[in-house]
Amino acid sequence: SQQGEEDPQALSIQEGENATMNCSYKTSINNLQWYRQNSGRGLVHLILIRSNEREKHSGRLRVTLDTSKKSSSLLITASRAADTASYFCATDAHQGGKLIFGQGTELSVKP
Amino acid sequence: DVKVTQSSRYLVKRTGEKVFLECVQDMDHENMFWYRQDPGLGLRLIYFSYDVKMKEKGDIPEGYSVSREKKERFSLILESASTNQTSMYLCASSSTRGPGELFFGEGSRLTVL
Repeated sequence: SQQGEEDPQALSIQEGENATMNCSYKTSINNLQWYRQNSGRGLVHLILIRSNEREKHSGRLRVTLDTSKKSSSLLITASRAADTASYFCATDAHQGGKLIFGQGTELSVKP
Repeated sequence: DVKVTQSSRYLVKRTGEKVFLECVQDMDHENMFWYRQDPGLGLRLIYFSYDVKMKEKGDIPEGYSVSREKKERFSLILESASTNQTSMYLCASSSTRGPGELFFGEGSRLTVL
């Protein structure tokens, strides 16, 4: 079952620019999480936002959550070439702790 | 440093072979998960476990089984590998006491010929 859908599927920007990725989901959630995956590697947790929160920051990352629209966005400010990776949103959808992942956004940051 | 370790990064097997993918975590986590990742399909949950000797089917359990004899180890078994099981397999764990953050292994890329 597909819960999270990321948009765009691919994004290419220059170093120093901001990158925004969006995630939409279908059912109510406890929390929404964002993960990063470097090519051929495992996923790394970036940030978690609870359903009663609207915005959260962590370093150059800013996540927003709009539960009325069932959507979230991840903003990476002042991007670097090292930010090149795939980014996934994941929701728990009250399903006992298991996460449902979207298909991801492939971000390419050119030096 | 906390870790989820998958035994093999790359495997090549033949159709019909029995395949074991091993995953060990050192964080005393109760929950463990097996996902497969395919281009255009994202991550799909195969099986998960909330406790020793306990297992539950995920979204795509067909053709797979799992074993959790010890808390730290969760094995994925392909009883008779088929070419459509060629994929990247990702193991993850989480704590029941936490908010649900998953810790992933580096993945096992399986090719079935």
